[in-house]
Amino acid sequence: DTGVSQDPRHKITKRGQNVTFRCDPISEHNRLYWYRQTLGQGPEFLTYFQNEAQLEKSRLLSDRFSAERPKGSFSTLEIQRTEQGDSAMYLCASSLRTGNYGYTFGSGTRLTVV
Amino acid sequence: RKEVEQDPGPFNVPEGATVAFNCTYSNSASQSFFWYRQDCRKEPKLLMSVYSSGNEDGRFTAQLNRASQYISLLIRDSKLSDSATYLCVVIRLGGATNKLIFGTGTLLAVQP
Repeated sequence: DTGVSQDPRHKITKRGQNVTFRCDPISEHNRLYWYRQTLGQGPEFLTYFQNEAQLEKSRLLSDRFSAERPKGSFSTLEIQRTEQGDSAMYLCASSLRTGNYGYTFGSGTRLTVV
Repeated sequence: RKEVEQDPGPFNVPEGATVAFNCTYSNSASQSFFWYRQDCRKEPKLLMSVYSSGNEDGRFTAQLNRASQYISLLIRDSKLSDSATYLCVVIRLGGATNKLIFGTGTLLAVQP
């Protein structure tokens, strides 16, 4: 499968616990994005990496959130001290710097905080 | 006010109907425009890009009006399989990020 892979697909956690999600982009894609989507809303931008550099972070990304892309390949998104409001679908997308942008989304990680 | 606004619907239409979705964007620096389709509990997938000259892909026609900052999607001869959420998406000029900015989506339910 040469698409964008996300792991896990689903995560249920208790409030206050830490969680980490992983995204494996398409191998030749140097751009990687994280989005969050809640019920009834469109995806909202969280952060962007170009290769290993994190070039933009949304104000939605509070101090409890951290993202890394250590070798410019896979990326992780960690949420510390989870809150019920963190329950959402976390989507990863990758792209090449092309004229049509060529975004590909992963299937997402659905987080439920109980 | 959200940067990309859509009527959330739902739009309930019978099979074979023609349905139109509208979207407005507030930032005049928006550069590129798309419609994405999202099935329930799935990831968004690109349906089509939107150009000022208008573009058509089978039963789907997309139109952009830059002066009014307005984007439309027309679906002709609706099929049951068209049932999904349709997301209006823009990319804004001026940043290196080229991030997609999504509307809230419009839910379409095609009834038999």
